[in-house]
Amino acid sequence: AQKVTQAQTEISVVEKEDVTLDCVYETRDTTYYLFWYKQPPSGELVFLIRRNSFDEQNEISGRYSWNFQKSTSSFNFTITASQVVDSAVYFCALRDPWDYGQNFVFGPGTRLSVLP
Amino acid sequence: DVKVTQSSRYLVKRTGEKVFLECVQDMDHENMFWYRQDPGLGLRLIYFSYDVKMKEKGDIPEGYSVSREKKERFSLILESASTNQTSMYLCASSRGSGGLNEQFFGPGTRLTVL
Repeated sequence: AQKVTQAQTEISVVEKEDVTLDCVYETRDTTYYLFWYKQPPSGELVFLIRRNSFDEQNEISGRYSWNFQKSTSSFNFTITASQVVDSAVYFCALRDPWDYGQNFVFGPGTRLSVLP
Repeated sequence: DVKVTQSSRYLVKRTGEKVFLECVQDMDHENMFWYRQDPGLGLRLIYFSYDVKMKEKGDIPEGYSVSREKKERFSLILESASTNQTSMYLCASSRGSGGLNEQFFGPGTRLTVL
């Protein structure tokens, strides 16, 4: 069965600190996709990044970076120089491309609070 | 921009009432989804639809039904609301088939059943 674990329930940092959100996944599939979503206080989940299982190259987008390691089944998300606007709940998700509907498995989320 | 709208942001109902949650997307997406979000549990899929009049059960369909009469609209129905259905309900849509396409989410409906 597929599973996504986000062991950090809540994290608090002070503005400008770096923070890493952990995501560990389980799947028997060799082809899969990993996603990160941000849910700000307004409630609407916002797509951040997608990564397929064949592309282990790390990605950087501004202050955001993602570290995908198949060997440890992890897809961690780092925010550099955090800002108050980064405060949100962050979800990691796993998707099997061949399984309609049952294919998005979300982790429980990590609530990040960035204090001024 | 993709837009997914939900009929209500907050809803309060009484036990036993029939509840309708409406979701509309404006990007001609084939797939639509209903999730509920509870603290510590993340998002759990209730139902999804990959075409008009088609529906498939997700992980937790008990106590819910859905309707998709038009491509842009996907309704979630609680036939007889119960207090354990108090939750945040999120609608999402995505394009076509395959795992690559991200889901676009609405703002959510926070339902309280008294």
